[in-house]
Amino acid sequence: SQQGEEDPQALSIQEGENATMNCSYKTSINNLQWYRQNSGRGLVHLILIRSNEREKHSGRLRVTLDTSKKSSSLLITASRAADTASYFCATDDAQGAQKLVFGQGTRLTINP
Amino acid sequence: DGGITQSPKYLFRKEGQNVTLSCEQNLNHDAMYWYRQDPGQGLRLIYYSQIVNDFQKGDIAEGYSVSREKKESFPLTVTSAQKNPTAFYLCASSTWTSGKREQYFGPGTRLTVT
Repeated sequence: SQQGEEDPQALSIQEGENATMNCSYKTSINNLQWYRQNSGRGLVHLILIRSNEREKHSGRLRVTLDTSKKSSSLLITASRAADTASYFCATDDAQGAQKLVFGQGTRLTINP
Repeated sequence: DGGITQSPKYLFRKEGQNVTLSCEQNLNHDAMYWYRQDPGQGLRLIYYSQIVNDFQKGDIAEGYSVSREKKESFPLTVTSAQKNPTAFYLCASSTWTSGKREQYFGPGTRLTVT
């Protein structure tokens, strides 16, 4: 079952611009995470935001969470060519299930 | 890719053969997971294990089997019953820390069945 759904599916911007990706989910969560995947590689954890947090920063990353709308956004500021990758949101289950559910991902391309 | 290894990186098999994908972690994590990823798609959970000698089916377990005899190891067997086995397979591990569970992924195995 797909809990998180990312939007847009693909995003292409110029280097230096900001990139915003959105994620929507269906059920109550304890936390929401964002991961990055370079082509043909494993996923790398970027940032986690708890259900009682509204915004979190890490370097050029800014994540927001709106539990009333069941949505989150990931903002990458001052994008670089090296940011080209797929980005996935993942949610846990507030009922305590020991697993994450990943969305379909946003394919981000940064053009030099 | 942290302390998780998957081997081999590329695997080719003939249709009708079972094949086992290796996943080893040295992070002392309790939980381990197997995902399948098809081109341009997200991750779908095949099996997961929270503790040694125990595992649970994920969303797409049919045609797959796993074992968890050691904490460090969680091999996945793709059986001949799996209708479309060609895919990218990712293994992950995690542990519960301060009320959160981040997953650490291996580099993946790309399986091609012809």
